Amino acid sequence: DTGVSQNPRHKITKRGQNVTFRCDPISEHNRLYWYRQTLGQGPEFLTYFQNEAQLEKSRLLSDRFSAERPKGSFSTLEIQRTEQGDSAMYLCASSFPGPNLQAFFGQGTRLTVV
Amino acid sequence: GDSVTQMEGPVTLSEEAFLTINCTYTATGYPSLFWYVQYPGEGLQLLLKATKADDKGSNKGFEATYRKETTSFHLEKGSVQVSDSAVYFCALSDRPGGSYIPTFGRGTSLIVHP
Repeated sequence: DTGVSQNPRHKITKRGQNVTFRCDPISEHNRLYWYRQTLGQGPEFLTYFQNEAQLEKSRLLSDRFSAERPKGSFSTLEIQRTEQGDSAMYLCASSFPGPNLQAFFGQGTRLTVV
Repeated sequence: GDSVTQMEGPVTLSEEAFLTINCTYTATGYPSLFWYVQYPGEGLQLLLKATKADDKGSNKGFEATYRKETTSFHLEKGSVQVSDSAVYFCALSDRPGGSYIPTFGRGTSLIVHP
């Protein structure tokens, strides 16, 4: 296992189009997180899964955003009707549950909405 | 809610200089504390962590001590190298509602000149 993998690495889309990103976590990890990072800011929490259950969603996650984790393995994040304000780096991380265990991050998907 | 505050960057140092990056936190519970590092073009990776008061996390010459009385977790290194140039993120993992979702500061960019 080579770590958390995200695809695509870069995505340019026109405003109003839908986009979908994929994250493949470390296989033993049952937690999976999605974060958004804009220039000069730290990662902002969007949502997380424990196995296939989506347990929490941030207020940042508008109704245009949806995430799934079928079978508790890979996850997808879809943004519908993209807006220029959605341009950001979307980060996926995975971990075991618990307070002391680190999150392992993928390299992210950079979205540019033109 | 929980939050992390880091000193603003960029921090610019000459090689072999002493480094301090300040981090303070606000948490409802008793969090674990982390420093993550992001090298150019790479994903975030854990640098060090501390899970209880007065613990010292250390790795690659970097150190940080969990100070509950001052709610701080400052990152230090005695002699920085050019290869330490990166963005450093302070983070906590707390349990409001049982979640242990990692919460990040905005990051501090470190630039080390030869």
